[in-house]
Amino acid sequence: EVRLAQSGAEVKKPGDSLKISCKGSGYSVNSYWIGWVRQMPGKGLEWMGIIYPDDSDTRYSPSFQGQVTISADKSTTTAYLQWSSLKASDTAIYYCARRFTGRWYFDLWGRGTLVTVSS
Amino acid sequence: QSALTQPASVSGSPGQSITISCTGTSSDVGGYNLVSWYQQPPGKAPKLLMYEVTKRPSGVSNRFSGSKSGNTASLTISGLQAEDEADYYCCSYAGTSTSWVFGGGTKLTVL
Repeated sequence: EVRLAQSGAEVKKPGDSLKISCKGSGYSVNSYWIGWVRQMPGKGLEWMGIIYPDDSDTRYSPSFQGQVTISADKSTTTAYLQWSSLKASDTAIYYCARRFTGRWYFDLWGRGTLVTVSS
Repeated sequence: QSALTQPASVSGSPGQSITISCTGTSSDVGGYNLVSWYQQPPGKAPKLLMYEVTKRPSGVSNRFSGSKSGNTASLTISGLQAEDEADYYCCSYAGTSTSWVFGGGTKLTVL
């Protein structure tokens, strides 16, 4: 089965660090990029950044540059999104999504990871 | 980079047609034929509905169609069905510095 499996929901306190994951399977992962998309409660989708796991080439939205770090482990076909110091405003669902090299859309999405940051 | 502009909500009765607009600029929607649309049912993940303005992925009903004129792209749903009730998002490639930008989303209600 072709899928993107995301890690489970997290509840953290302001100032905590966090790393969530997205593992691709069932397809040739070296042909695809993995992007991250934020959806704050009751709000729309926001593109955060994207990584090519094969060589870790990474691009960030200007809105998220410096706020998060996107990384990948080619050997486990897993992409990561991490924060060094969470804020309450980071509370959101984070989706990973697949993009084929040379295509400009996201054809497969993970189920999302809910991150709740509260004191 | 500002979000693309979509109407907050649209509605229609079963069997009717509706159109959702998505307005950007010459740096995104108008500059590339790389607009995609995503359907997000309540409580679920988004799903690709349309890509490269007019192309439907395998498995997507031909009741969905896309178009673009200038800086505005549109998604039309014909023969509305109850199952079409969802949020719809447009997305455009916006060049190498920004890469992608989403619209604010449109909530479709089937009356």
